[in-house]
Formats: sequence, structure tokens, C-alpha cells
Amino acid sequence: QKEVEQDPGPLSVPEGAIVSLNCTYSNSAFQYFMWYRQYSRKGPELLMYTYSSGNKEDGRFTAQVDKSSKYISLFIRDSQPSDSATYLCAMSANNNDMRFGAGTRLTVKP
Amino acid sequence: DAGITQSPRHKVTETGTPVTLRCHQTENHRYMYWYRQDPGHGLRLIHYSYGVKDTDKGEVSDGYSVSRSKTEDFLLTLESATSSQTSVYFCAISDGGKGTEAFFGQGTRLTVV
Repeated sequence: QKEVEQDPGPLSVPEGAIVSLNCTYSNSAFQYFMWYRQYSRKGPELLMYTYSSGNKEDGRFTAQVDKSSKYISLFIRDSQPSDSATYLCAMSANNNDMRFGAGTRLTVKP
Repeated sequence: DAGITQSPRHKVTETGTPVTLRCHQTENHRYMYWYRQDPGHGLRLIHYSYGVKDTDKGEVSDGYSVSRSKTEDFLLTLESATSSQTSVYFCAISDGGKGTEAFFGQGTRLTVV
């Protein structure tokens, strides 16, 4: 079993839909949780960062962490074609060794 | 891309040959990382550095070595390339500390034939 599990998709939604992306993990020592967005042939860029449990909102993006269930989510409201990318969850116990999910490929259709 | 340059961007090499990938930063960040990205595996940490001449192993370090003689440069060496090392390699930097954002380079696509 992988330390971080993420459904690779692909996920296809119409423009304006709410998108839900999820990851589960097995290491209870993880306390830093990140979501990265990666466009094709580019490096990942940080979207959201959360420490410990709770919610964090930034514009159309909301990150949720439930440490009791070892489950994290990223919600994208009013999705746009420009949101089409691969989304990677990442987590760390000490922030020097991030463990990544395999990534979910998202396509938002106009 | 936050002042990170990876070179080369693409390379094809033969099995058994040594290969060195270079990461150069202009941000003066303390931490530098090398990851590899493969389908179905996401990004996996190979090695990282927390200062000049200070390095440590990551999750998949076998077959790789690194060196950091200057703050701005972090080299990844495949001593004797194998086909299993065909991958996309990303360098990342951060200024350290808990919750610090890591910035990634554009990646190097390496093919070992």
C-alpha cells in the first residue's frame, strides 16, 4: 500500500462545475498538507498549504484536512478551462521530505 | 519559475554511461531538492540539500549521488545510467522551515536507451 493514495482519474467536468479532488494517507505523522497544480510539460506549482486539520479557502479553492480519517480534499468552485491540469496532493511530517500522490488529471470543458 | 534553471532540458543517453543534471537557482534559498516523476508514482524525492556540502537521502536514492559546492548549484549524478532511471527529473528549492513553499523547475526529461 502506498503511503499516499490519489485517484489518477482522468476527471472531466463542464465549465462552472464544482470539482472535488481527494487523497488518503497512512502515515499519522504527516502534519503539513499541500496541493500542487501541474500543467503539461511544466513543473508543479503550489496551490494550497494547510498545517494540521481544518479548512483553508483561497478564492475559488478550498482545502480540507481531516487527520482523524487521514483524508484531504481540494474543492474548486466555478471551474474554468484554465483549471485543466494535473493536481497533486503532497504531505510531510517535517517539511523536508514531501510525499506526493500520483496526481489527478482534470479537464474542464467549455 | 522562481529563478530555477535546470539543464539540460532533454537528454538521451546509453545504459551504463554517467549522467549529470544541473540545477541552478538565483533565489539564494537554503534547501534544494531533486525529485523524479513517473506515471502512477507522482513525485519521489531522490536527494536533498540543506546547505553547501550538506545533503541527505530521500525515498529513492539508490543509483544517484548529489553534490552542492555552491549555494546556487545542486548537481544530480547517475553513476551508471539504467533504463529504470528513464524519467522526468525536477529540481525544487525552498528557504526552509516548516510550511515553506517549494518552487519547482521546468524539469529534465531523461531517456536511457
